[in-house]
Amino acid sequence: AQSVTQLGSHVSVSEGALVLLRCNYSSSVPPYLFWYVQYPNQGLQLLLKYTTGATLVKGINGFEAEFKKSETSFHLTKPSAHMSDAAEYFCAVSPNYGGSQGNLIFGKGTKLSVKP
Amino acid sequence: EPEVTQTPSHQVTQMGQEVILRCVPISNHLYFYWYRQILGQKVEFLVSFYNNEISEKSEIFDDQFSVERPDGSNFTLKIRSTKLEDSAMYFCASLLRSGRAYEQYFGPGTRLTVT
Repeated sequence: AQSVTQLGSHVSVSEGALVLLRCNYSSSVPPYLFWYVQYPNQGLQLLLKYTTGATLVKGINGFEAEFKKSETSFHLTKPSAHMSDAAEYFCAVSPNYGGSQGNLIFGKGTKLSVKP
Repeated sequence: EPEVTQTPSHQVTQMGQEVILRCVPISNHLYFYWYRQILGQKVEFLVSFYNNEISEKSEIFDDQFSVERPDGSNFTLKIRSTKLEDSAMYFCASLLRSGRAYEQYFGPGTRLTVT
C-alpha cells in the first residue's frame, strides 16, 4: 500500500530564510505527487504537482519541489520565506496506474511558522 | 475563478442523529470525492464518485455513510447515525480529468462536531 511520510510536524523559519519541507513516499511504482497548502479555516489549495517529465516542478507563490526517484522523495522548497507562507502543508500521492481516478493519499502535514 | 463550495461550514449534532453534508462541485467536473480530517490527524480519503456511482471507497466508508448526486449540481455525504468519532472536518473535492494531470479542487470543508 502506498504511504506518505512528512518529516517534522512543525517547522519554524525566519522571514527571508530557506524553506524546506520534507516528503517521502513508499510505492512500488512512482506515483503522481502533490503538495497542498491549507491556510487557517480554509480548504486545501494545490501548490504544485509532478506527473511526468521534468523532475523539478515549480508551483505558485515561489515554491518548487523536486521528484527524486532514487530517494523516493518530493521535498518542497522556497528560497526566501515570507510571513504569508505560514500555513499547513500537505504532501500527497495518487496511484499511477490505469483506471486510477485520482484518490489522494496524504501525509500528516507540516505546519510552517515564519518568524519576523 | 470557479470553486467548490460546501455547506454548512460548521454542523453540530447529537450522537445517533443523521447528518447531510452538502457540496457543489465545479460545474464541468466529472469526478467527485469526500475526504475527512480528524483534528490533528491527516486527511483521509473516504469515497470517490463518477458517472452517478461510487467508484472507490475506503474502509472508513462503512454502511453508515452514503453519497448522492441528487440533482446534477449538488454532491452530498450522509452519515446515517453519527458517532463521536465522526467528529472531523469533511472536505469535498472535484476533478476534471485532463489527460493524466490529476488536479483535485477542494472545498473549504464542513466541520462536524458530534456531541
